[in-house]
Amino acid sequence: DAKTTQPTSMDCAEGRAANLPCNHSTISGNEYVYWYRQIHSQGPQYIIHGLKNNETNEMASLIITEDRKSSTLILPHATLRDTAVYYCIVSSGYSTLTFGKGTMLLVSP
Amino acid sequence: EPEVTQTPSHQVTQMGQEVILRCVPISNHLYFYWYRQILGQKVEFLVSFYNNEISEKSEIFDDQFSVERPDGSNFTLKIRSTKLEDSAMYFCALRAGSYPYEQYFGPGTRLTVT
Repeated sequence: DAKTTQPTSMDCAEGRAANLPCNHSTISGNEYVYWYRQIHSQGPQYIIHGLKNNETNEMASLIITEDRKSSTLILPHATLRDTAVYYCIVSSGYSTLTFGKGTMLLVSP
Repeated sequence: EPEVTQTPSHQVTQMGQEVILRCVPISNHLYFYWYRQILGQKVEFLVSFYNNEISEKSEIFDDQFSVERPDGSNFTLKIRSTKLEDSAMYFCALRAGSYPYEQYFGPGTRLTVT
């Protein structure tokens, strides 16, 4: 089973920041937090990952709390094309991915 | 970002028939995965394949399933005798980058068993 808890759905206005929370209270010291998304039954798309420091790339930012029990994925300026299911996944970095149900993000005009 | 293509995009087959799903990584990679997603359900891991051997498999990956890399390029998933419950999207993924690794997924093959 997935080791993460995410809200079922969230809404965001186009152009605003989307902040997607994830709880992973049982994360182990050597496990990373990964985020993927899936746009309408397409293959999951890698977004970002982190261990304990905040991370940023061209797609998003990842904020991990100091105790590593939760994290937030930030899409700074959401567009309609960001409408997707977002998955927060805890993984050792070697292992297979265990997907949960994720958060359905709906970006509206 | 590594590119992964899958063929066919949609496969319709009758129950009991064999199907072969193909994955073509554009660049040279060694570590592959198959996942599936039944309509409306979670993405589930099936099998991982490294250096021409199965590295790990799930309970779903029973004797009806097999994987191989026949020509050093294509990576295939074979289902020997399809069942209705095999209807799903099947995604190939490859592992890329350096530790901690990322996985890059193909667009999927929609398998419909009638």
